[in-house]
Amino acid sequence: DQQVKQNSPSLSVQEGRISILNCDYTNSMFDYFLWYKKYPAEGPTFLISISSIKDKNEDGRFTVFLNKSAKHLSLHIVPSQPGDSAVYFCAAAEGGKLIFGQGTTLQVKP
Amino acid sequence: DTGVSQNPRHKITKRGQNVTFRCDPISEHNRLYWYRQTLGQGPEFLTYFQNEAQLEKSRLLSDRFSAERPKGSFSTLEIQRTEQGDSAMYLCASSLVTRGDAYGYTFGSGTRLTVV
Repeated sequence: DQQVKQNSPSLSVQEGRISILNCDYTNSMFDYFLWYKKYPAEGPTFLISISSIKDKNEDGRFTVFLNKSAKHLSLHIVPSQPGDSAVYFCAAAEGGKLIFGQGTTLQVKP
Repeated sequence: DTGVSQNPRHKITKRGQNVTFRCDPISEHNRLYWYRQTLGQGPEFLTYFQNEAQLEKSRLLSDRFSAERPKGSFSTLEIQRTEQGDSAMYLCASSLVTRGDAYGYTFGSGTRLTVV
């Protein structure tokens, strides 16, 4: 059973516009969430995180929103840049490990 | 320190052969993780170590898989009697566990295994 789900395999946006990537989870005991970005032939790199005691965390162009009642989080990228084109994974922390979603491939068109 | 290093980058092996991968974490990191990623999926947890102690193993890790971190530094992941279903990217990550930051993983670039 997939405890962390990213239901959109891909997303295409125009440069300068907002990118919104979504993630749903099933386990209400998760208390920490992260987003990772992955370029081809590289390992995932950490982007931004949020604790369950918050509903928003912002870092430059990246903002993560958490809706605990809906068990939903989203990553907003504003403005989107072509260099943001990558696969984005959301992850939830459980004990000492992370549980990842399937990923969403973001393409930002110039 | 240049980050998490994994060797080899690619490995092609025949079904039934044994393979071993190596991971060198960031030197000051005390936790080391192994994940597996197949096409179209996110990384799946396999196992992790704190120093030399293996603290958790996934049920995905069959008895053909074994991981070690003998001196709390580098780690090896061995797959015995490989099967075609073992073809995947094997990712290693490390982190420094402190009171406030247990999840700042740094991933290596992975070892891509192809079983033919």
